[in-house]
Parts: sequence; C-alpha cells; structure tokens
Amino acid sequence: DVKVTQSSRYLVKRTGEKVFLECVQDMDHENMFWYRQDPGLGLRLIYFSYDVKMKEKGDIPEGYSVSREKKERFSLILESASTNQTSMYLCASKPRDSNQPQHFGDGTRLSIL
Amino acid sequence: GEDVEQSLFLSVREGDSSVINCTYTDSSSTYLYWYKQEPGAGLQLLTYIFSNMDMKQDQRLTVLLNKKDKHLSLRIADTQTGDSAIYFCAELISSNTGKLIFGQGTTLQVKP
Repeated sequence: DVKVTQSSRYLVKRTGEKVFLECVQDMDHENMFWYRQDPGLGLRLIYFSYDVKMKEKGDIPEGYSVSREKKERFSLILESASTNQTSMYLCASKPRDSNQPQHFGDGTRLSIL
Repeated sequence: GEDVEQSLFLSVREGDSSVINCTYTDSSSTYLYWYKQEPGAGLQLLTYIFSNMDMKQDQRLTVLLNKKDKHLSLRIADTQTGDSAIYFCAELISSNTGKLIFGQGTTLQVKP
C-alpha cells in the first residue's frame, strides 16, 4: 500500500512565522502535490512537483513556496504566515505519466493566530 | 477553463441508496475519480472511471457517466452510517503532470 505521511496532524503558529509542512511518500512516486482544503471550496492546488528540484505553481501559490530536495520528500513553506492561511493542508503523490490516482496523506490542520 | 461542480449536502436514511452527482467541463478524454474523506482524515480513493466508459460497479458502489451531459454520479447501495463522510469528485486535466480539478465536496449524512 502507498503510504503518504504528513509530519503533523495539528499545528498552531503565529502570524509572521515561517512555517514548514513536511510530506514523505514511500512508493518512489515522481509527482507530488500540495493542496489546501477549505469548507465549500473543495481542494485547491498550491504547488506540485514532477521530479527532484522541479516545481510548478498550482492555482493559489501566493504566500507559499516548496522544496523537493529528495524524491520522497516534498515540503510546503509559508514564508510569513498570515491568518488567512489557516486551513487544512493535504499532500498527495502519484507515479509520473500514469493515470494511476493520487494518494493522499492524512492532512495537517494549521491554525495561524 | 475547467470546472467541477457538486451539490454540497445530501441526507439519507440507513439502508437507502445514496446518489451523489457531479458535473465537469473538460471535453477531452480523461479519468474521473471519486474520493471519500472521513472526519479529520485525508482523502481515500473509492473508484475511478475513464471517460469512454458508461458505468463501473464495485460492490456497493456504482459509477455512472453521461458523456453527452458531462455528468458523473456515485451511487451507494444500502447506505450505512459508516458511509457518512465528504465525497469529492475529481477530473484529471493533465495526464502528463497528474493535475486534478476537484469539486467542492458533498457531505453525506446517514441517519439511523
């Protein structure tokens, strides 16, 4: 079974802090994704990566950056956290060039005070 | 641009069938997915269908696809309280990157 692990289930940070959300997958997948989930809006793509050191902006990249130094790890960075970034963050991975579905982690519920 | 739409809420009684609907806009051949999210958890893949198929059945789940109307539905037979969750429809819009577009999610409430 594919395992996508997000480092924290719940996180509370303060406005202006730099926040790191970590995601690790164990299936050697090339493609990894970061979403945020807000009620009534579904999942919105922040960034994705299709290879080590490669990244592409999703639909809502503003205020975020990402890092993919190793194939199994994809980090989401909030450069200077703001209250409107309070949300549920979900990481996913899938093999490249395949119609196999994305596999999701359990999510990180982030609160910015 | 691409868009996926779902109704936000559905309430059924235990033992009844549930039908969750979804519409999409991309006209190219594609894959369409149904995910389930239980409270406090991530998304779990339920099933998926390619757009050249009309129907797919997997135990209590039946997916129906109307390509002409770009309408997708998920039917859950004999709905149980454990089926209470948020259900997301998603469309694959790039097979190269694996990028998905998600609907808003339908909250299914199952009453005993």
